[in-house]
Amino acid sequence: SYVVTQPPSLSVGPGQTARITCGGNNIGRKSVHWYQQKPGQAPVLVMFDDDDRPSGIPDRFSGSNSGNTATLTISRVVAGDEADYFCQVWDGDDDRHVFGGGTTVSVL
Amino acid sequence: QLQLRESGPALVKPSETLSLTCTVSGGSITNGTYYWGWIRQSPEKGLEWIGSIYYNGNTYYDPSLKSRVTINLDTSKNQFSLILHSVTAADAAVYYCERHRSVGKPFDPWGQGTRVTVSS
Repeated sequence: SYVVTQPPSLSVGPGQTARITCGGNNIGRKSVHWYQQKPGQAPVLVMFDDDDRPSGIPDRFSGSNSGNTATLTISRVVAGDEADYFCQVWDGDDDRHVFGGGTTVSVL
Repeated sequence: QLQLRESGPALVKPSETLSLTCTVSGGSITNGTYYWGWIRQSPEKGLEWIGSIYYNGNTYYDPSLKSRVTINLDTSKNQFSLILHSVTAADAAVYYCERHRSVGKPFDPWGQGTRVTVSS
């Protein structure tokens, strides 16, 4: 079955850039979606189809996907960006949706 | 604005059946070509997709859960449900309902989630 891997944690200073990666075999051939989850809340979609932002998501959030790595980039990080971030893809071989383990972003 | 809300028992005994309902407001579950489904989250397994149902009643499930899962639509109540048989401690999780446009598309929106504990 298809596996996507994320680093468990990432720390970044206010105003800096956070790059959250999602690794998988030829993930560049798949559409990757990203969710933000704050404590006690449900996940919220922040990026879909690699690099499309839902309405209401700041343009500080951007996405890319190539080769074996997809990346969610948060520019000019603010304290409110502190959350868990999950990537998700469709595994067409096993007909199942697959989530990464999540990355906790801490703002110093 | 579309909203989803889960409901059901917070405690289920081992070997029994878990039943949850998702009530949809702000839109009809039969209006448009959408899938409606369930996802769960636990510290041990993280986020785990369970299965989904199309507005016309077609279903698809995660292969690892397929033998124990049923998802149904109740169009008269604008609800859909999850039934999970023979639960064990490994099924304890926060269960979310969701909507997505088609296979491979993102889950948006999600319900607020409901926590289920499995214990005798």
